[in-house]
Amino acid sequence: GQQLNQSPQSMFIQEGEDVSMNCTSSSIFNTWLWYKQDPGEGPVLLIALYKAGELTSNGRLTAQFGITRKDSFLNISASIPSDVGIYFCAGPQGAQKLVFGQGTRLTINP
Amino acid sequence: ETGVTQTPRHLVMGMTNKKSLKCEQHLGHNAMYWYKQSAKKPLELMFVYNFKEQTENNSVPSRFSPECPNSSHLFLHLHTLQPEDSALYLCASSQGIRLGAFFGQGTRLTVV
Repeated sequence: GQQLNQSPQSMFIQEGEDVSMNCTSSSIFNTWLWYKQDPGEGPVLLIALYKAGELTSNGRLTAQFGITRKDSFLNISASIPSDVGIYFCAGPQGAQKLVFGQGTRLTINP
Repeated sequence: ETGVTQTPRHLVMGMTNKKSLKCEQHLGHNAMYWYKQSAKKPLELMFVYNFKEQTENNSVPSRFSPECPNSSHLFLHLHTLQPEDSALYLCASSQGIRLGAFFGQGTRLTVV
């Protein structure tokens, strides 16, 4: 099946810094989804992307659908403590399934 | 009440116990899912239900038994589990997978 590889696996940054992470696949996706999971909670959908090259923002978060359709990027500007968590990319596999990356764990030093 | 609600939030059970996890969605979605999240592993899809019919069983052991009585409720019945089954079990619902799946808060299961 399709696999999604996220990079980096973990990040340790200072509050106020910008963050960049990416997700790659060996096969083409027609949708990219980005989720955030807080400790002890379920993942929450942040951004959905549907078109190659699309750039979509949600507050300080911006995600892009790569033009090759095999990758996607998530940027967080001016990080704050509540940005801490695990960020997952996901894409549809067939008509009913989502496949997830292994996640990028973000830690912020005050 | 809105969204996807899972109960209980935490569960400790012995290997000979029988327990059930419950999920309820108030979003009017047609599809419901069970996922397993273990430490340092990607989210693993277990089961998919579409309009109450099971459409996917991702090679899940028979000690996990799902039940979907209607489009709003999903159960996961557990019996004779193993310690390696300890994980966060997440329920989700969707109205079209390209729109994304919406997750509950999960049940943290510990098998002792």
